[in-house]
Amino acid sequence: GAVVSQHPSRVICKSGTSVKIECRSLDFQATTMFWYRQFPKQSLMLMATSNEGSKATYEQGVEKDKFLINHASLTLSTLTVTSAHPEDSSFYICSASVFGGRGNEQFFGPGTRLTVL
Amino acid sequence: SQKIEQNSEALNIQEGKTATLTCNYTNYSPAYLQWYRQDPGRGPVFLLLIRENEKEKRKERLKVTFDTTLKQSLFHITASQPADSATYLCASNSGGGADGLTFGKGTHLIIQP
Repeated sequence: GAVVSQHPSRVICKSGTSVKIECRSLDFQATTMFWYRQFPKQSLMLMATSNEGSKATYEQGVEKDKFLINHASLTLSTLTVTSAHPEDSSFYICSASVFGGRGNEQFFGPGTRLTVL
Repeated sequence: SQKIEQNSEALNIQEGKTATLTCNYTNYSPAYLQWYRQDPGRGPVFLLLIRENEKEKRKERLKVTFDTTLKQSLFHITASQPADSATYLCASNSGGGADGLTFGKGTHLIIQP
């Protein structure tokens, strides 16, 4: 099946620093990748849709200047949390849809646990 | 605004019984619903997708129904096993024209031996 990896799996950083999270589709090409955030005991919340070669589309309430998304190739999307603060501490999960069409299953990465001190 | 709700935060079922989880949606008509399994500290794993014109879908011990009148999907695990213990998430299209999903909060299923 389609495999999505994320790196790092865990990161601890100081307040004010920036953190980059990578999302890779290992055995397929993903024209569209998605970034979600999940707080403890909450549902996954879609942050943005990342399209290869174009600007990401952000959900309402998500600051595009704070959460920088780059989708440089068909197998890699990165999320950079800039000037991180403790309230940004969360579980960040990416996913990719194989066909990019509506109603297709998404393959999720294992997630990245970000802790901002 | 559109909502997906999974009313049960937790569900305890005895091994061998059928577990039934509920997902309700309001203020929109999803073209499809998806069910995922999530283990602690891991990303969700896709289980089943059912479209609005399908009443029922099966995969091994799993069964999903879609009732557009009740605005509800039911997810069944038959002959449940302790290994089925996990959080199960219901999800659907976000309605924004992309494929991004709107998720319910999930139901934490515990299968007791």
